[in-house]
Amino acid sequence: EPEVTQTPSHQVTQMGQEVILRCVPISNHLYFYWYRQILGQKVEFLVSFYNNEISEKSEIFDDQFSVERPDGSNFTLKIRSTKLEDSAMYFCASSEGQGYTEAFFGQGTRLTVV
Amino acid sequence: KQEVTQIPAALSVPEGENLVLNCSFTDSAIYNLQWFRQDPGKGLTSLLLIQSSQREQTSGRLNASLDKSSGRSTLYIAASQPGDSATYLCAVRPTGNMLTFGGGTRLMVKP
Repeated sequence: EPEVTQTPSHQVTQMGQEVILRCVPISNHLYFYWYRQILGQKVEFLVSFYNNEISEKSEIFDDQFSVERPDGSNFTLKIRSTKLEDSAMYFCASSEGQGYTEAFFGQGTRLTVV
Repeated sequence: KQEVTQIPAALSVPEGENLVLNCSFTDSAIYNLQWFRQDPGKGLTSLLLIQSSQREQTSGRLNASLDKSSGRSTLYIAASQPGDSATYLCAVRPTGNMLTFGGGTRLMVKP
């Protein structure tokens, strides 16, 4: 069964460093998303991406964040200068369409900023 | 702003019981509602998707209902098993591009 794949599963980084989280969405999906879950809190939407553009973003997704689809299969989230409060589980998701379609999530990348 | 609440936050039941998890949302203008399962430290597994025009969906021992006008959904789990132990998340899609999640119900099914 097709699935969303995320790498790495766990990343530890020093405060102020840049990190790139990687995702391979399901192959025929056109819409891609990043969410995060701080320990003990709700899953929060960060950004959606379609046709090589950001289609919607939350107030969390500020200038330190960026997304890219560098090739036909990968979708990345870059955090330019990590802060302690960026420590969270980051989930990538994809869907065939928007609106009425089902979203499928990856297993997540646990980011720890020290 | 859409808010999603799940009650109870935690639930412990003996194996074999039928149980109901509740989800409420503040704005009825949604595209759909999705129920997920999350195992500790793991990703989100989609269980059921209910479109805004539908009243319920079933998959195996799971049945989800949606009452959009009252802003409520329930997830019914029949004949619970220890393997059902996980956190169950409800999420609504208020716009085409994002899901808004509830805080989850942590379920423990005891053998």
